[in-house]
Amino acid sequence: QQQVKQSPQSLIVQKGGISIINCAYENTAFDYFPWYQQFPGKGPALLIAIRPDVSEKKEGRFTISFNKSAKQFSLHIMDSQPGDSATYFCAASKESGNTGKLIFGQGTTLQVKP
Amino acid sequence: ETGVTQTPRHLVMGMTNKKSLKCEQHLGHNAMYWYKQSAKKPLELMFVYNFKEQTENNSVPSRFSPECPNSSHLFLHLHTLQPEDSALYLCASSQVPGGPSSSYNEQFFGPGTRLTVL
Repeated sequence: QQQVKQSPQSLIVQKGGISIINCAYENTAFDYFPWYQQFPGKGPALLIAIRPDVSEKKEGRFTISFNKSAKQFSLHIMDSQPGDSATYFCAASKESGNTGKLIFGQGTTLQVKP
Repeated sequence: ETGVTQTPRHLVMGMTNKKSLKCEQHLGHNAMYWYKQSAKKPLELMFVYNFKEQTENNSVPSRFSPECPNSSHLFLHLHTLQPEDSALYLCASSQVPGGPSSSYNEQFFGPGTRLTVL
C-alpha cells in the first residue's frame, strides 16, 4: 500500500532524445507526486511536482504525465542533454494530515550520451 | 547550495564507536528529516521532526538516536552500529507539511554523510 514502484532502473539515451521514467503507486490517498534529481555527491533536489487534479505539468524540457485511474505517473525529459545525466527519484505523499512522509521509488540512473 | 549543510561528509567508524551526524538548515523551515540511502534501494525515511517534536519514527533501531534541539539543527547519534548500516545519510528540511500550497511539501536535502561501519 505504501510502495512506489519505479522503472527502469537504468536508462541510456542519446543526446536530443526523449527520456521516459515511469512510476506506479498503490495508495489512492496519495495526492502529491514530486520528482527529485540527484547528481553524484549531492542530495536529491526537487525537479517538478504534480497534484492529481491535473493530468500533465510541464516545466521547460521536463513534463510529468499523470494517470489517476491507472495510479501511474511518468517523467518525460525532452531533448535530453548530457547535463541531465543523474539519478531520478519519483515520490508520493499525502498532503492532508501529512507528517511530511515522502515515499520514494527505487531510482533511475539516466545516462545521456553525447 | 540548498541551504542545508551536513557534517561530516564522510565518516568511518567501528561497531563499538559512538559518533554523531550534524545537520543545519538556513532556510527558516520548521520540519527536519533524516533519510537513509543505500545502493539499489529507495530512500528510507527514518525520522521526522516538526517544530522540534518527533512526529515520525519509521521503525528505526535504537542504535540510531535523533536529537532536534531547535528548528535549525538536527543530530543523529550513532552507537554500536552494524556493517549493514553503512549508507549515505541525508538530512532534509521543509516548511511544516500540510500547508496551503504544495511548496509546503518540498523538501530540501543536504549533501549527505557517507557512513562506513567496519
